[in-house]
Amino acid sequence: GQNIDQPTEMTATEGAIVQINCTYQTSGFNGLFWYQQHAGEAPTFLSYNVLDGLEEKGRFSSFLSRSKGYSYLLLKELQMKDSASYLCAVSDSNYQLIWGAGTKLIIKP
Amino acid sequence: NAGVTQTPKFRILKIGQSMTLQCTQDMNHNYMYWYRQDPGMGLKLIYYSVGAGITDKGEVPNGYNVSRSTTEDFPLRLELAAPSQTSVYFCASSYKGEPAYEQYFGPGTRLTVT
Repeated sequence: GQNIDQPTEMTATEGAIVQINCTYQTSGFNGLFWYQQHAGEAPTFLSYNVLDGLEEKGRFSSFLSRSKGYSYLLLKELQMKDSASYLCAVSDSNYQLIWGAGTKLIIKP
Repeated sequence: NAGVTQTPKFRILKIGQSMTLQCTQDMNHNYMYWYRQDPGMGLKLIYYSVGAGITDKGEVPNGYNVSRSTTEDFPLRLELAAPSQTSVYFCASSYKGEPAYEQYFGPGTRLTVT
C-alpha cells in the first residue's frame, strides 16, 4: 500500500529552527511536495523536490533522499505566523498526490 | 485572476438530502480534483478530471458524483447525504506541464450532515 508518515504535532520557539520529517512508501515517485495549511484555510504550496538534495527558498528549505524515502522541511527564524499544519504529499506513478496527515506546528513566544 | 472558487462556504444538510458543491477555476487548468479532509487526517481524493468530458474515481468516491462539461467548472454532487460525509471539501486544479502538477486549492466548503 501507499503510506506517508509525519509527526502529528511539534512545538518550537519563536526565532528558532524546526525540522519536520516525512517518510513515504508509494507506487512510483514523481516528486514530493510540502504545503502549508493555516487553520480553517486551504493548503498553499511551499516547495517541490524531485531530485536528491536541498532546495532553499528564503526561510524555508526542503530536503529529499529518494533512496531512503525521506524528506524534511526546515523552517528557520520562526515567526508566530508560521503556526500552521505542514502537509507532505508524494506524486505517485499516475501523478496523483498521496497526502500525509499533516504536522501541526505550534510556535511559542 | 480569482484562482479556484468554491460555493457554498458552509452548509448543513439533513440525512438523505442532496446537494451540489460548485467549483470554478479561471486559470485554464486542465486537471481538476475534489478532496475531503476530516479532522486530523490528510486529504483524500474523491474524484478527478483530466479535461472536459473526462472524469475518474479517486480513493473515496462512494456517495458522490461529478461532471466536467467545461474546462472551468467541476461540480461535486452528494446524493442521499450521510453523517459520514461531514467533512471539509476542497476543490483543486493543476496544469499538466508544471512540475509534477502543483495543485492550487479553493477555500473549501464545510459540510455538516445531521
